[in-house]
Amino acid sequence: GNSVTQMEGPVTLSEEAFLTINCTYTATGYPSLFWYVQYPGEGLQLLLKATKADDKGSNKGFEATYRKETTSFHLEKGSVQVSDSAVYFCALLPIGTSYGKLTFGQGTILTVHP
Amino acid sequence: GAGVSQSPSNKVTEKGKDVELRCDPISGHTALYWYRQSLGQGLEFLIYFQGNSAPDKSGLPSDRFSAERTGGSVSTLTIQRTQQEDSAVYLCASSFGGGTQETQYFGPGTRLLVL
Repeated sequence: GNSVTQMEGPVTLSEEAFLTINCTYTATGYPSLFWYVQYPGEGLQLLLKATKADDKGSNKGFEATYRKETTSFHLEKGSVQVSDSAVYFCALLPIGTSYGKLTFGQGTILTVHP
Repeated sequence: GAGVSQSPSNKVTEKGKDVELRCDPISGHTALYWYRQSLGQGLEFLIYFQGNSAPDKSGLPSDRFSAERTGGSVSTLTIQRTQQEDSAVYLCASSFGGGTQETQYFGPGTRLLVL
């Protein structure tokens, strides 16, 4: 079946540090891949997405590249801010799906200190 | 405009009781999803509604769980004879259409605790 595996958290960084949150997936063919973010007290929000191999999704300084050869979609940011503290979820949408039935990873808690 | 809203935000109940969780999607959104976020299980799909079509209930964990969507808008998720393993955050999402390219907008969730 389809699955998403994220690096275990929590991740604690100082402001302006480099961030990587690893995400790997298992699925048939070429699923669409997503990163969602959940800020404290708020609902999940779409952060970025990629729909085919070698695509790079980017938003708010975050980037992730769809790597078919390693079945990965790692999230990166060059310089994190305190306001980036949140829970990050990697997710996939299987190929051939007729609607948005997402499969999520476990989530990674990120805390950024000043 | 208003986002997806859910009520109650928190619910504590005793084992064996029934609970109802409500979701108000964004106005005009035809697709509505329920997910569950529990410790050790991550985020799981529960059920999907699209317009007047029959819902996809494939993610409901047992027949104690049911959901309905009245008038193509508000949805209610009902859990009968609650068990402690039902404790989780229940998330609702809506999208303009049901297609895979449609962005899902999530509500803040209902945190359910079964004692």
